This record gives sequence, structure tokens and C-alpha cells, in this order.
Amino acid sequence: GQQVMQIPQYQHVQEGEDFTTYCNSSTTLSNIQWYKQRPGGHPVFLIQLVKSGEVKKQKRLTFQFGEAKKNSSLHITATQTTDVGTYFCAVNTNAGKSTFGDGTTLTVKP
Amino acid sequence: DGGITQSPKYLFRKEGQNVTLSCEQNLNHDAMYWYRQDPGQGLRLIYYSQIVNDFQKGDIAEGYSVSREKKESFPLTVTSAQKNPTAFYLCASTRDSTTSTEAFFGQGTRLTVV
Repeated sequence: GQQVMQIPQYQHVQEGEDFTTYCNSSTTLSNIQWYKQRPGGHPVFLIQLVKSGEVKKQKRLTFQFGEAKKNSSLHITATQTTDVGTYFCAVNTNAGKSTFGDGTTLTVKP
Repeated sequence: DGGITQSPKYLFRKEGQNVTLSCEQNLNHDAMYWYRQDPGQGLRLIYYSQIVNDFQKGDIAEGYSVSREKKESFPLTVTSAQKNPTAFYLCASTRDSTTSTEAFFGQGTRLTVV
């Protein structure tokens, strides 16, 4: 089935540093979604990207969809302690399934 | 408030017993999903249902069963055949399964089998 590889698995940063997680696929994606899961919580939808080369921003978060629609990234500028959690990318298949990446767990040292 | 509700939040069961996890949504969503999450890992799809009275196996369906008799309910049974059932179980729903829409997740049920 369709799979997405997400890197890195873990990222430890000092508060104020930037953070980036990447999601890569060997096949062309129709869309990609990003979710955030706080420690002990459940995934919460952040955004969906559909168009080739699309860039969307949410305050300090920048989401990109690659030109070939095979990769995506989430970049956080000047991390804060509230950014801690695990960030997942997810892709939808035509069969109606959502496949999630393994996630990148971000820890922020104050 | 519309949302998706899982119960209970924590569940303890003895080895060899079947256990059913509840998932209810009042979002009027057609599609519902069950995922399993192990510590430090991603979400693995157990079962999903695109419409009432229909469901399909996900990537790790062995040892699990589901039903979808009502649109708002999608209970998951963890059977004694599931070799390693201790995990965090997440239920989700989407408006439908034919277009790409965001998934809404329940709070999860943390199952511990002793």
C-alpha cells in the first residue's frame, strides 16, 4: 500500500530554535495532511495541502508540498514549549484509507 | 458540541478476555476508523468503515472485529486472538471517504491487558 516515510523520528531543540520535519513518498500524492498530537493526547488536524508547490502558513508554522507532490515539510520558526508533541503527516488513498507516517516527536528545552 | 467520543479512557482486562471499545460520533460523518498506537510509534489502521453496514480490514486487523450497525457508532472488539493487545486505541471519523477531508479523533482508549 501507499507509504510515507517521515524524518527525523525525534528532534530535541532549545526554545527559540527552528524545527523541520519531512514526509516523503515514492509515489505521487493527491494530497497530504498534517496532524499534531500532544503528549497523552490525540491527533489534531493542522492542515491539508493539495496543489503542487503549495505553501501555507499558520503563524509560526509553514507547510510545503513539493513540486512533484512526493514530499512535504512542516517548519516551525522559533519554537516554544507549547510546540512539543508528535507531528504526523497523512495521505489518503482512493480506497478511503488514511495512511500515517510514523511521526516526528519534538521536545523543546526551555 | 459535535465530536467523537471514545469510552472508557482507561481499560484493564485479563489475558484471554474479549473487550469492546466504544466509539460514537455526532458529526454525521460517513466514514469511521480504528487505529492502534504503540509507544513512540505512529498510527496503524485496524479497520475502517465507509458506510453503515460495511467495513474493511486495515493493515493490522488480525485479532480484532468491528461492527457498523449505526452511522454514529463503530465499536471495536479486541479478541483473545490478539497476541499483544496492550496499546492506545484511537477512533476517527471523516465526512466521507471519497474526498480528502480532515479526520476527527476521539480522546483514545488506553487498553492494558494483564
